[in-house]
Amino acid sequence: AQKITQTQPGMFVQEKEAVTLDCTYDTSDPSYGLFWYKQPSSGEMIFLIYQGSYDQQNATEGRYSLNFQKARKSANLVISASQLGDSAMYFCAMRETYKYIFGTGTRLKVLA
Amino acid sequence: DTAVSQTPKYLVTQMGNDKSIKCEQNLGHDTMYWYKQDSKKFLKIMFSYNNKELIINETVPNRFSPKSPDKAHLNLHINSLELGDSAVYFCASSPLSRAGANVLTFGAGSRLTVL
Repeated sequence: AQKITQTQPGMFVQEKEAVTLDCTYDTSDPSYGLFWYKQPSSGEMIFLIYQGSYDQQNATEGRYSLNFQKARKSANLVISASQLGDSAMYFCAMRETYKYIFGTGTRLKVLA
Repeated sequence: DTAVSQTPKYLVTQMGNDKSIKCEQNLGHDTMYWYKQDSKKFLKIMFSYNNKELIINETVPNRFSPKSPDKAHLNLHINSLELGDSAVYFCASSPLSRAGANVLTFGAGSRLTVL
């Protein structure tokens, strides 16, 4: 069965610094998609970034980049130049057929 | 226009009651889902529907009955509510194709509190 693991329950980062949130996955399917979502304290789920298993380059979206290491089965989210508004829960997810499975999340706190 | 809208946003009810949550998406997606987020923030899929047909039921008690009248709507009815049903319920939708990003788009969530 497919599985997503986020081993950091909580992280702190100083404003304007970069932070890496870890995600490892397990799948036997050669074609898969990996996602990161942000959930601020207001509760909505916000899509941040996507990486396909066949993509040759790491995905980037503004201050977000995905460090995709296929052999290690890891898909870490890098947030550059952290802002106070980045304080939130962050979820890694993987797409299976007809469902998306989520990791347990990492709570990020950005310090002023 | 909200892409995935669910109502109500908050429900507070007594144990044993029945409640419904409605969901509609205007994205033209083929697949819709219900997810449950517990107090520890863990997101677990409950159901997925593709073009009105139930595809996945993740061992959810049969007190939970989803209904999809068309591919743009997926409602959730819960009978005989229990304390453990207290959670945030998210409706979501995605395109079907296995190629491409197929981003899962969430509704704002419905917070259910059972007293």
